[in-house]
Amino acid sequence: AQSVTQLGSHVSVSEGALVLLRCNYSSSVPPYLFWYVQYPNQGLQLLLKYTTGATLVKGINGFEAEFKKSETSFHLTKPSAHMSDAAEYFCAVSQYNQGGKLIFGQGTELSVKP
Amino acid sequence: EPEVTQTPSHQVTQMGQEVILRCVPISNHLYFYWYRQILGQKVEFLVSFYNNEISEKSEIFDDQFSVERPDGSNFTLKIRSTKLEDSAMYFCASSRLAGGQETQYFGPGTRLLVL
Repeated sequence: AQSVTQLGSHVSVSEGALVLLRCNYSSSVPPYLFWYVQYPNQGLQLLLKYTTGATLVKGINGFEAEFKKSETSFHLTKPSAHMSDAAEYFCAVSQYNQGGKLIFGQGTELSVKP
Repeated sequence: EPEVTQTPSHQVTQMGQEVILRCVPISNHLYFYWYRQILGQKVEFLVSFYNNEISEKSEIFDDQFSVERPDGSNFTLKIRSTKLEDSAMYFCASSRLAGGQETQYFGPGTRLLVL
């Protein structure tokens, strides 16, 4: 069965510092991996996704993530945090043979200190 | 930019009452989903829907739940007899095509509180 683990329910960084949000997955077949962001009172918005090909994926707002099969990880990074990055971030996995069902991690709330 | 909309944003109901949560998916999307998030827990898949049929449902989606596309634009989730444990944020999502690689676009959610 698929599962997703996000290490750290809360992460706090200073403005301008590196953002690193961790995601590990479990999947019996090659996974498709997603990062979604949720701002207050809004829906989940896709940041980036990995399906096939290049393992380093770039998304919106300067975020990127690297698929590492050997580590079963898909960590999200951003070189320099901005106050507007404060939100909740969700990692999710799906499989080619299970339609569109997304399995989510528990989410990581990112706060950015001035 | 097209977006998924949901109504109402908040719903308070008494245990045992029926509720209908409404969603308007993106107009050219063919696949529709409901997820829920109980406070402090993960976002969980409930059901997927295509061509007026349920494609897949989770074990959470029991006989108390039903989904419908009553017209060309709305997609609804009905809970027949609400329980306290149904209190959660319910998200609707849609995608243009099927498949695990497709991006799902989420609505802002309906927060349901069952008293």
